[in-house]
Amino acid sequence: GDSVTQMEGPVTLSEEAFLTINCTYTATGYPSLFWYVQYPGEGLQLLLKATKADDKGSNKGFEATYRKETTSFHLEKGSVQVSDSAVYFCAPMDSSYKLIFGSGTRLLVRP
Amino acid sequence: DARVTQTPRHKVTEMGQEVTMRCQPILGHNTVFWYRQTMMQGLELLAYFRNRAPLDDSGMPKDRFSAEMPDATLATLKIQPSEPRDSAVYFCASGFSGVRNEQFFGPGTRLTVL
Repeated sequence: GDSVTQMEGPVTLSEEAFLTINCTYTATGYPSLFWYVQYPGEGLQLLLKATKADDKGSNKGFEATYRKETTSFHLEKGSVQVSDSAVYFCAPMDSSYKLIFGSGTRLLVRP
Repeated sequence: DARVTQTPRHKVTEMGQEVTMRCQPILGHNTVFWYRQTMMQGLELLAYFRNRAPLDDSGMPKDRFSAEMPDATLATLKIQPSEPRDSAVYFCASGFSGVRNEQFFGPGTRLTVL
C-alpha cells in the first residue's frame, strides 16, 4: 500500500538557519502531496500542497517541490523563526482521497 | 472563516463509561475523517465518510467504537465501553473529494479514560 517516510526528529536549529525536512513516498499513480503543521495543543493545519510533478507548493516562506523521479517532497525554508517550532507531517493522498501520514518531524528553533 | 468544530474539547471519564465525540464539518464539504493521535502510534485513521456514507472504518476497533453521520452537519464517534488505552486526542477533518482535496482539521477532543 501507499506509504511515506519522513526524517527522524527532533530537528533543532538556531533562528535564521536553513531548514530541510526530507520526505519520500511510495504510491500508485501520481498522488497529490501535502505538508501539514501541528503547533502545540492544536490540530493539523495545511501548510502547502502540490498536485502534479514539478509543482512547487509554497506558504509562509516554506517550499516543497513534487519530484516524481525521486518520489520526494522535501520541505525547505530559508530562515526559520522560533514561531516555526512545531511538528511537520508529510502526506500523500491516495486514490480514495485518504491522506497517508508519516510519523511527523518535530522542529525546535532556538533563539 | 469556516472551521471544523469539535465537542467536547476535553473529556475525562472512567473506564467502562460511554463517550460520544461530535464534529461539525465545514458546510459544503462531502468527506469526513476521524483520526486518533497518540505518542506511540502517531496519527491513525479510524473512519472515513463520503456524502455521509461510511467508506472505510478498517482502522476502528469494531467491538467498542462506532462512527455515524446522522446528517451532513454532524459526525459522531462513540466509544462504549471506554478503556484506558483509548486515551488519545481524536481529530475530525473534512474536505472535498475532487480537485480541491485538502482536509481541514478540527481542534481535537482530548480524551482521558481513568
